[in-house]
Amino acid sequence: DVKVTQSSRYLVKRTGEKVFLECVQDMDHENMFWYRQDPGLGLRLIYFSYDVKMKEKGDIPEGYSVSREKKERFSLILESASTNQTSMYLCASSLYGDTQYFGPGTRLTVL
Amino acid sequence: GQQLNQSPQSMFIQEGEDVSMNCTSSSIFNTWLWYKQDPGEGPVLLIALYKAGELTSNGRLTAQFGITRKDSFLNISASIPSDVGIYFCAGQLPTGANSKLTFGKGITLSVRP
Repeated sequence: DVKVTQSSRYLVKRTGEKVFLECVQDMDHENMFWYRQDPGLGLRLIYFSYDVKMKEKGDIPEGYSVSREKKERFSLILESASTNQTSMYLCASSLYGDTQYFGPGTRLTVL
Repeated sequence: GQQLNQSPQSMFIQEGEDVSMNCTSSSIFNTWLWYKQDPGEGPVLLIALYKAGELTSNGRLTAQFGITRKDSFLNISASIPSDVGIYFCAGQLPTGANSKLTFGKGITLSVRP
């Protein structure tokens, strides 16, 4: 079974803090993705990566950066958290980009 | 950008009933996926479809890849209370390997005991 884990289920941070969200997959997948999910807006792609040290912007990259130093790990970074980044963050991985497997999500609250 | 249409936003059914959900698009897709998300959790893959006309079952769930490649449906038979959740469709456009998924906004299913 594919397993995608995220470092925290719940996080509370203050405005201006630097926030790291970690995602690890154990299936040697090439592709990893970060989404945010908000009521009424569905899933929106922030960044994705097709290989180690490779990253591409998704639909809403502003205010975020990513890091992929190892194949199994994909980190999402909020350089200076703002209240409008309060959301559910979902990581996913896939072998070929089609069938994506999701982690349990991190619910981030920025005060 | 591309969108997948799922409607209605919410469905309410009685335990034991069957329910069908559609996902439609104006574009052709190579792959159709159905996910279920429980409150506070990540989406879980239910069924993946890779060929036009393909009909696949997973227990009480059945999904089909439309012949036109512009739609897909998911059927749940004999619903039970744990079927409650949000059901998303997703598709991959035929723009080469590693293309991103497009998601519908989901249908929230409620099951009355």
